[in-house]
Amino acid sequence: GQSLEQPSEVTAVEGAIVQINCTYQTSGFYGLSWYQQHDGGAPTFLSYNALDGLEETGRFSSFLSRSDSYGYLLLQELQMKDSASYFCAVKANFNKFYFGSGTKLNVKP
Amino acid sequence: DGGITQSPKYLFRKEGQNVTLSCEQNLNHDAMYWYRQDPGQGLRLIYYSQIVNDFQKGDIAEGYSVSREKKESFPLTVTSAQKNPTAFYLCAIAPNFGTDYGYTFGSGTRLTVV
Repeated sequence: GQSLEQPSEVTAVEGAIVQINCTYQTSGFYGLSWYQQHDGGAPTFLSYNALDGLEETGRFSSFLSRSDSYGYLLLQELQMKDSASYFCAVKANFNKFYFGSGTKLNVKP
Repeated sequence: DGGITQSPKYLFRKEGQNVTLSCEQNLNHDAMYWYRQDPGQGLRLIYYSQIVNDFQKGDIAEGYSVSREKKESFPLTVTSAQKNPTAFYLCAIAPNFGTDYGYTFGSGTRLTVV
């Protein structure tokens, strides 16, 4: 089976840096994705890591360590609009993704 | 929605009634998926389809049915056998099998039992 663990809630102030961790146990692992979901909206794709290391896309970076079954999403220069839920998702066989329960990020002024 | 459309946005179902949620895409992607999201929780896979006329059960397929008669369309029927159908339903598409990208989601359908 698949299991993913991520913190349920994180709070940070505007302009700060926050890291959201994700650990996983899965069979057929191909990569780790991150999605952002604002209240009432649909998830939007942020990043995908298939190989170990750090991927940077603007203010967001994502890291993967396959040997540790661990990854994280790093958000820099936090803005109020970054307040949302963030989901890690493991890509398994047949192009399926299994999602964690999500981390609610609260950005305060 | 970037080429993927879900309808309706809100749907109300009476006890014992079957309802069908629509998912249409115009991006020519082979793979389509249905997920269910309950409040404060992650997404759980209901059904998925990699090619036309073929689909597979996900983790929570009981009480649901799908069809894939056309590449563009992947409707989900919530049957009366689904005892707790109130949830947010999300359809997703992905590029051809083997490509390392994420999903593109539709805007979702909120289903409520009345």
